[in-house]
Amino acid sequence: AQSVTQLDSQVPVFEEAPVELRCNYSSSVSVYLFWYVQYPNQGLQLLLKYLSGSTLVKGINGFEAEFNKSQTSFHLRKPSVHISDTAEYFCAVSRGIGNQGGKLIFGQGTELSVKP
Amino acid sequence: KAGVTQTPRYLIKTRGQQVTLSCSPISGHRSVSWYQQTPGQGLQFLFEYFSETQRNKGNFPGRFSGRQFSNSRSEMNVSTLELGDSALYLCASSLSMPGMNTEAFFGQGTRLTVV
Repeated sequence: AQSVTQLDSQVPVFEEAPVELRCNYSSSVSVYLFWYVQYPNQGLQLLLKYLSGSTLVKGINGFEAEFNKSQTSFHLRKPSVHISDTAEYFCAVSRGIGNQGGKLIFGQGTELSVKP
Repeated sequence: KAGVTQTPRYLIKTRGQQVTLSCSPISGHRSVSWYQQTPGQGLQFLFEYFSETQRNKGNFPGRFSGRQFSNSRSEMNVSTLELGDSALYLCASSLSMPGMNTEAFFGQGTRLTVV
């Protein structure tokens, strides 16, 4: 079975500072990895995904993440955050193949709070 | 291209009643998944439908059920509502075919409040 741990429940940061949101996963099989963002009273929006290939993945809004297989991590980074980045961020995994393709396992979420 | 559409956006129901939520996926997407989001339990997978068949099921009681129609639209039903069923219910659609990525696109959700 897969599981996802987001190591920080809340991350406060000042505007224009860099940020890293940490995610570790556990799985005995190859997985696909995702980061989603959720603004208040909204659904989830995909930031980026790792399916295969280059371990450094670039997403929308200036976010990027690095897949580290040996450490089973997929940390999300942004070099300079804006007030508008304030939201909740979710890391997720899926088997990605066959009949398990449609099931996402989510971490508990990290609340990013950007202060002026 | 229209996104995933969930209706209604908000619902208030009384304990013991039943409720039906609707989800229209992105055109061409054949997989529809449902998730429950609560402050205590986070995002939990309910079930997935693919080509009108339930392909995956999460760990929820039988009061939670769903179905998918031939046009890929999906409904989920919760019977005998309990206070603990109050949550944001999210629907996601994807192509999710063997050999293809499983990028899921989410709707805005239905906020269900049980009183």
